[in-house]
Amino acid sequence: EAGVAQSPRYKIIEKRQSVAFWCNPISGHATLYWYQQILGQGPKLLIQFQNNGVVDDSQLPKDRFSAERLKGVDSTLKIQPAKLEDSAVYLCASSRAGGQYEQYFGPGTRLTVT
Amino acid sequence: GQQVMQIPQYQHVQEGEDFTTYCNSSTTLSNIQWYKQRPGGHPVFLIQLVKSGEVKKQKRLTFQFGEAKKNSSLHITATQTTDVGTYFCAGPNSGYALNFGKGTSLLVTP
Repeated sequence: EAGVAQSPRYKIIEKRQSVAFWCNPISGHATLYWYQQILGQGPKLLIQFQNNGVVDDSQLPKDRFSAERLKGVDSTLKIQPAKLEDSAVYLCASSRAGGQYEQYFGPGTRLTVT
Repeated sequence: GQQVMQIPQYQHVQEGEDFTTYCNSSTTLSNIQWYKQRPGGHPVFLIQLVKSGEVKKQKRLTFQFGEAKKNSSLHITATQTTDVGTYFCAGPNSGYALNFGKGTSLLVTP
């Protein structure tokens, strides 16, 4: 089966600009996650979707980050405006259901904010 | 909230030596998962442990889940250069999203 797809793979922007990331999960996976991974740390959950509903967005900086999952399939994560500390790899993952099942990660988008 | 801690942060071994990383949770876990991330890559699922005291083996890798379901370990016997990477443990929070530890980075020199 095809894996989790993400684009773009790399993005360089200046602070205060906006950026969007796209994720296509594994077909049939109801749960989709966005993680932020800063160099040298483990992935940190930003938002979790179950189908097209938000399950957990408690760690999403809502003043600048937004995410949606239209029709319960693809998802986009947006940052507006970006800050220097947003430089990180943004990982999308999907699973058959919640944390009771393994998560499959996409290749990630490496964001550099200058 | 729940926190997952891993030690050591880094480990450098000679090829053929054994390696162990330890994971501790601040709360009791319903299950624990282990992932491996190669340099420049993304996390890849290794295994899930569910039962108290559970031990699972995958070739040279042995995973254990503590009796109190608050700690876990990963042991690699006779490391190889292909074992290089960062090993993460992760436990689900109340919403079943995973809380990842900071990982243990393993470097194996031939």
